[in-house]
Amino acid sequence: QQQVKQSPQSLIVQKGGISIINCAYENTAFDYFPWYQQFPGKGPALLIAIRPDVSEKKEGRFTISFNKSAKQFSLHIMDSQPGDSATYFCAASDYGQNFVFGPGTRLSVLP
Amino acid sequence: ETGVTQTPRHLVMGMTNKKSLKCEQHLGHNAMYWYKQSAKKPLELMFVYNFKEQTENNSVPSRFSPECPNSSHLFLHLHTLQPEDSALYLCASSLSSGQPQHFGDGTRLSIL
Repeated sequence: QQQVKQSPQSLIVQKGGISIINCAYENTAFDYFPWYQQFPGKGPALLIAIRPDVSEKKEGRFTISFNKSAKQFSLHIMDSQPGDSATYFCAASDYGQNFVFGPGTRLSVLP
Repeated sequence: ETGVTQTPRHLVMGMTNKKSLKCEQHLGHNAMYWYKQSAKKPLELMFVYNFKEQTENNSVPSRFSPECPNSSHLFLHLHTLQPEDSALYLCASSLSSGQPQHFGDGTRLSIL
C-alpha cells in the first residue's frame, strides 16, 4: 500500500531525445508527487513536483504527467542532454506521516 | 549550499571502531531523517525525528544509534559495524514529517 513502483530501472537516451520515467502508487491518500534528481557524489535534490488537482506540470524541459484514475505519474525530459545523466527518484507523500520514494532510474544521455 | 550539511564526507573505519556521523540543517525544519543508500538499491529510510522525537525506526540494527539533541542537529552513532554497512548515509530534513525533503550530500562510509 505504501510502495511506489518505478520503471525502467535504467534508461539510455541519445542527446536531443525524450526521456520518460514512469511511477505508480497504491495509496489514494497520497496527494503530493515530487521527483528528485541525484548526481554522483551528491544527495538527491528536488527537481519538480505535482499535486493531483492538475494533470500536467512543466518546468523548462521537465514535465510531470499525472493520471489520477490510473494512479500513475511520469517524468518527461525533453531535448535530453548529457548533463541530465543522473539517477531520478519519484516519490509520493500524504503531507502527513508518509513520504515514500521509488527505487530510482539511472539515466544516461549519450552525446 | 544545500542547507543540509553532513560531516564527514568520507569515513573509513574498522569493524570494532566507534564513530559518529553529523548532520546540521539551517532551513528551520522540524523533521530530520537518516537514509542508507547502497549501490543498485533504493533509498532505505532508517530513522525519522519530528520535533526532536523519534517517530520511526525501520528495523535498523542496534549498532546504529541516532541522536537528535535539537531540531537543527542529527547524529548517527556507529559501533561494531559489518562490511555490509558500507554505503552512502544521507541526512534529510523537512518542515515537518511527510513534507518535501531536502538532502545533504551524504557520508560515504567504508567498513574494513
